[in-house]
Amino acid sequence: EAQVTQNPRYLITVTGKKLTVTCSQNMNHEYMSWYRQDPGLGLRQIYYSMNVEVTDKGDVPEGYKVSRKEKRNFPLILESPSPNQTSLYFCASSLWSGGTEAFFGQGTRLTVV
Amino acid sequence: TQLLEQSPQFLSIQEGENLTVYCNSSSVFSSLQWYRQEPGEGPVLLVTVVTGGEVKKLKRLTFQFGDARKDSSLHITAAQPGDTGLYLCAGPNNAGNMLTFGGGTRLMVKP
Repeated sequence: EAQVTQNPRYLITVTGKKLTVTCSQNMNHEYMSWYRQDPGLGLRQIYYSMNVEVTDKGDVPEGYKVSRKEKRNFPLILESPSPNQTSLYFCASSLWSGGTEAFFGQGTRLTVV
Repeated sequence: TQLLEQSPQFLSIQEGENLTVYCNSSSVFSSLQWYRQEPGEGPVLLVTVVTGGEVKKLKRLTFQFGDARKDSSLHITAAQPGDTGLYLCAGPNNAGNMLTFGGGTRLMVKP
């Protein structure tokens, strides 16, 4: 089954404790991206990757890092989480660009206290 | 920056009613996508409209792309409780490397 898998689904952490949210897709898609979803602000793109070893900033990249060492994986790293990073995070993949159909994971609800 | 504004933000209707939600921009988009997101899940693509003036139908859902490719609408006929969810429109930026989302319309259809 074609899917994008994120882990964990729920995470509560403390300010400053480094964390990683994993994302994996099994569709051989070149393009992967991370979004955060906040009430009243919609989905905002954090980072995206056009291919292996190619990453770029989205609209809200501050406080986040990503890497793309393999085509299928695109982890999101929060080196020093802060409460304003409490949000619902989605990983997505697309066939070859940001303009093609995006397949989303089920989301990771992160709370930073 | 290309922005997409959706209206209304919230809509609560009775089963069987018709409704239209809108997605507007001052910018031209090469295409627009419509997604539906249910609680606890990620958005799922419903349709992509590409040509100005295009109309696409998906069962009781009718999607239209404006002639100038700056706006789109989603019309639902005889809404059902299963249509409840967050409806999002999205469009690629000019470089085609990012997808911009509207703020969404949260629809509740009561039995």
